[in-house]
Amino acid sequence: DGGITQSPKYLFRKEGQNVTLSCEQNLNHDAMYWYRQDPGQGLRLIYYSQIVNDFQKGDIAEGYSVSREKKESFPLTVTSAQKNPTAFYLCASSTSGTGGQPQHFGDGTRLSIL
Amino acid sequence: AQRVTQPEKLLSVFKGAPVELKCNYSYSGSPELFWYVQYSRQRLQLLLRHISRESIKGFTADLNKGETSFHLKKPFAQEEDSAMYYCALGTYSNYQLIWGAGTKLIIKP
Repeated sequence: DGGITQSPKYLFRKEGQNVTLSCEQNLNHDAMYWYRQDPGQGLRLIYYSQIVNDFQKGDIAEGYSVSREKKESFPLTVTSAQKNPTAFYLCASSTSGTGGQPQHFGDGTRLSIL
Repeated sequence: AQRVTQPEKLLSVFKGAPVELKCNYSYSGSPELFWYVQYSRQRLQLLLRHISRESIKGFTADLNKGETSFHLKKPFAQEEDSAMYYCALGTYSNYQLIWGAGTKLIIKP
């Protein structure tokens, strides 16, 4: 089944802990994105990557970090500096990193604080 | 600044009634507009995009550049249309999609 796979589905973070959310795609897409989804606020862009070994901050990058060492993988680390990490996190990809292309989404990871 | 506004957080209509979900955007250039849908317990997925001019699941959306709108319409709502709908704006000069806050559509039996 082609597409985007996010894991885990649910994740719990302790105070002071960094956690990493996985995102893998087999669509051969160049661009990948991380969004945060909060009720009533739509999707907010955390980071995006247009090509391997390159990524840019989105609107709410503080407290998050990413890497793009492989085309198919774009993991997101939620660091202890992110004081309000409880949210639903969505990973997406598109054929190219322009806003004119539709994005394909994973099932999401729900992060909660212990 | 580019912006997408979905004025209704919640829209509730009866089955068989017409549905219109509003989307207004602000952008001075040529926009790429999309509607995405998120059904309960399913992933966010593309419903339609303005350049394709398709009708998907009975939904249509017409880009009105004069009114800067891209409203989503369906003549006869079905219960399975209940979902969260997001309008998004893209441009070829920007690497982001700009998202509206979403409208929750509830179809009452």
